[in-house]
Amino acid sequence: KAGVTQTPRYLIKTRGQQVTLSCSPISGHRSVSWYQQTPGQGLQFLFEYFSETQRNKGNFPGRFSGRQFSNSRSEMNVSTLELGDSALYLCASRWTGGPNEKLFFGSGTQLSVL
Amino acid sequence: DAKTTQPPSMDCAEGRAANLPCNHSTISGNEYVYWYRQIHSQGPQYIIHGLKNNETNEMASLIITEDRKSSTLILPHATLRDTAVYYCIVRVGGSQGNLIFGKGTKLSVKP
Repeated sequence: KAGVTQTPRYLIKTRGQQVTLSCSPISGHRSVSWYQQTPGQGLQFLFEYFSETQRNKGNFPGRFSGRQFSNSRSEMNVSTLELGDSALYLCASRWTGGPNEKLFFGSGTQLSVL
Repeated sequence: DAKTTQPPSMDCAEGRAANLPCNHSTISGNEYVYWYRQIHSQGPQYIIHGLKNNETNEMASLIITEDRKSSTLILPHATLRDTAVYYCIVRVGGSQGNLIFGKGTKLSVKP
């Protein structure tokens, strides 16, 4: 079974631009979560989608948004990029979101904002 | 927001057991403890999780105290490839809540 796939692996943007990151979960997984990782703040939860609906949200500004498609693939969008948005963006999937389920992570998209 | 406390760093000699402690004194009765590790620039990798009983798999053992306020991850024979940041996590927000990562413990395995 293929793992969680994130594209692209690396991305360079300039301030003010917007960016869309993609995540394909493990087949059969319906929950997709997104995390931002920076050296200063560590791994921070952005949001989770389950069956095309946002189920949980972290403490990030509205510039960060996401969506999930009927095939469970998810995209994350960041508008009006700031230098501080430079980070590793990680996507993780799980089957339904039960209390005993483990998250499977992708390798991430490394975003650099210049 | 993290509900766990871990030492920021630890060293371990190659071939020895690595014992990584974690405090989760506010854990609720039905919350699982998860351990993940992250090798530089890769996504976190699941290691093990448990509720109240000790658990063992091919990667590690998890020892949870009887009061469930702390746990220890044991890597029985650490290798250089076990050098990573280890995260102890408790799910926040109930059964459908999410794993909130703290700062973790940077484990350095030395030859």
